[in-house]
Amino acid sequence: SQQGEEDPQALSIQEGENATMNCSYKTSINNLQWYRQNSGRGLVHLILIRSNEREKHSGRLRVTLDTSKKSSSLLITASRAADTASYFCATNSGGYQKVTFGTGTKLQVIP
Amino acid sequence: KAGVTQTPRYLIKTRGQQVTLSCSPISGHRSVSWYQQTPGQGLQFLFEYFSETQRNKGNFPGRFSGRQFSNSRSEMNVSTLELGDSALYLCASRGIPDTQYFGPGTRLTVL
Repeated sequence: SQQGEEDPQALSIQEGENATMNCSYKTSINNLQWYRQNSGRGLVHLILIRSNEREKHSGRLRVTLDTSKKSSSLLITASRAADTASYFCATNSGGYQKVTFGTGTKLQVIP
Repeated sequence: KAGVTQTPRYLIKTRGQQVTLSCSPISGHRSVSWYQQTPGQGLQFLFEYFSETQRNKGNFPGRFSGRQFSNSRSEMNVSTLELGDSALYLCASRGIPDTQYFGPGTRLTVL
């Protein structure tokens, strides 16, 4: 079963706009990660945020984490056509840190 | 460092056959996880191996099995293939801190 659910399921924006994706999860976590997947290919790790962190930046990416609401958001600023992909959140929880992926957000950036 | 490699990249089998997929993790990584990705179910965790021992297992039937060798390479086997086993099978090796590095996947089609 999925631990996380991304919202929205699909998002279409113009190049240069910002894109925000949200992830909600059910159980307590050690950390949360965001991944990108280009069509039919492997996932690429974007950013990891630990449960004791509230915000993290990496280039044009900004991730926030609210453990009280069990939610996280990924903001991509000044989007580019190359950002077109599916984005997944993944949570680490459990004794051996089993990783569980969310349902994904499909982002389309129109040039 | 070389990334995670998976072989073969594409595979076509018929119902009832069995298949073995291979994954070579990043050098020095001892944890290998397998995922099944389908349009309907999304990314589903199959199992994780660490130092040749299965550490975690998802909710898949016993037809899905795996193993890990002393050099950390891992294989996944699916016996008695069903049409519903058609999917992208992704392998990931885990580095520090808890970041998973994914291979390009094996696209399995069952006819």
